[in-house]
Amino acid sequence: DAGVIQSPRHEVTEMGQEVTLRCKPISGHNSLFWYRQTMMRGLELLIYFNNNVPIDDSGMPEDRFSAKMPNASFSTLKIQPSEPRDSAVYFCASRTTGGGGYTFGSGTRLTVV
Amino acid sequence: SQQGEEDPQALSIQEGENATMNCSYKTSINNLQWYRQNSGRGLVHLILIRSNEREKHSGRLRVTLDTSKKSSSLLITASRAADTASYFCATEGQGAQKLVFGQGTRLTINP
Repeated sequence: DAGVIQSPRHEVTEMGQEVTLRCKPISGHNSLFWYRQTMMRGLELLIYFNNNVPIDDSGMPEDRFSAKMPNASFSTLKIQPSEPRDSAVYFCASRTTGGGGYTFGSGTRLTVV
Repeated sequence: SQQGEEDPQALSIQEGENATMNCSYKTSINNLQWYRQNSGRGLVHLILIRSNEREKHSGRLRVTLDTSKKSSSLLITASRAADTASYFCATEGQGAQKLVFGQGTRLTINP
């Protein structure tokens, strides 16, 4: 099992540009979560999906952020337009809906200059 | 918020010693989980303890849960240099599937 796969690993972009982060969860995992990690705010849950349906997006900071899960094996987190304060490490995680621990991806380090 | 708060924020011990980290939370939970994060890497799930459990073991890890005090502890016995990492507790609330993470404890094991 390759685990949760995120791409890209690093992204440097200019303010105002659109950024798309990608995630492939573990096959058979029905729940998918997007987190953001910064020194100041720690790990924040942005949004999560069950069976490809968004359940809770209350953590999405602004309308500039959007997430989709078109099928069970792929999700995207999009920021448009990006701002320097969006600089962070973005993690995707998945698990079965039966509960248990999350499996995290290696993260995408986003730098907006 | 049911966010966990961890104590201490940083801990430095000698290899071979035991390391204890504590976590407190605010609301009723379904379970509490501990994760490890090595620098620049993703989080790795270590252990899950349910609200009706009081203690759980996994290898050199021992986790306790006191729901009356809304607190948990993670004990790592016979620490090794490879245990150097940040450790996070996370709570899953009743009726909610999402995990809320604490700020973490930075553990350094000195050889």
